[in-house]
Amino acid sequence: ETGVTQSPTHLIKTRGQQVTLRCSSQSGHNTVSWYQQALGQGPQFIFQYYREEENGRGNFPPRFSGLQFPNYSSELNVNALELDDSALYLCASSPMDRGPGNTIYFGEGSWLTVV
Amino acid sequence: ILNVEQSPQSLHVQEGDSTNFTCSFPSSNFYALHWYRWETAKSPEALFVMTLNGDEKKKGRISATLNTKEGYSYLYIIGSQPEDSATYLCASYNTDKLIFGTGTRLQVFP
Repeated sequence: ETGVTQSPTHLIKTRGQQVTLRCSSQSGHNTVSWYQQALGQGPQFIFQYYREEENGRGNFPPRFSGLQFPNYSSELNVNALELDDSALYLCASSPMDRGPGNTIYFGEGSWLTVV
Repeated sequence: ILNVEQSPQSLHVQEGDSTNFTCSFPSSNFYALHWYRWETAKSPEALFVMTLNGDEKKKGRISATLNTKEGYSYLYIIGSQPEDSATYLCASYNTDKLIFGTGTRLQVFP
């Protein structure tokens, strides 16, 4: 039990639609990151939010966007869905003193299938 | 480009065997190396965060070592049990993000 919760757990969308995935971070963690895991790959960094602002972005197009709320929960939004967006989306949270030595906790992920 | 590589891709062992796998990462600009254990349909479980060259960490029958100068980490499991079956992921921490390998899938047979 990591204390990081994600919803929904599974969903199916049609190509061209938009999707919103949600994440509640572990209590006291103000940094939330999102990762995409496609089949056969390790998780790939999408972006990170720290105190409600984007704080780093991976190699993903602008149709991937996010938000972080005052309670540090976060949303990942993907517009104009493509078939290749089908993947497991993981949310990760880490504590206030961000740094390389901190443990980063993951949720169970949201499985997105685009048809 | 920062690449993290893990080997082997998969491993099948008998209950009671000891096993180990490797994580390779670029040694320049090293910050930290994270190990995770990931069972199907669960969240990745943090095993170790290692930051110093020569670090050795242990959690029950699982231990890990770190060599930042040559860019590798080993994960060891002593006396493997069926419940150790999982994918073991390593990730290098770089500029606020984790860069993952593709994992080693371990299956332990009774």
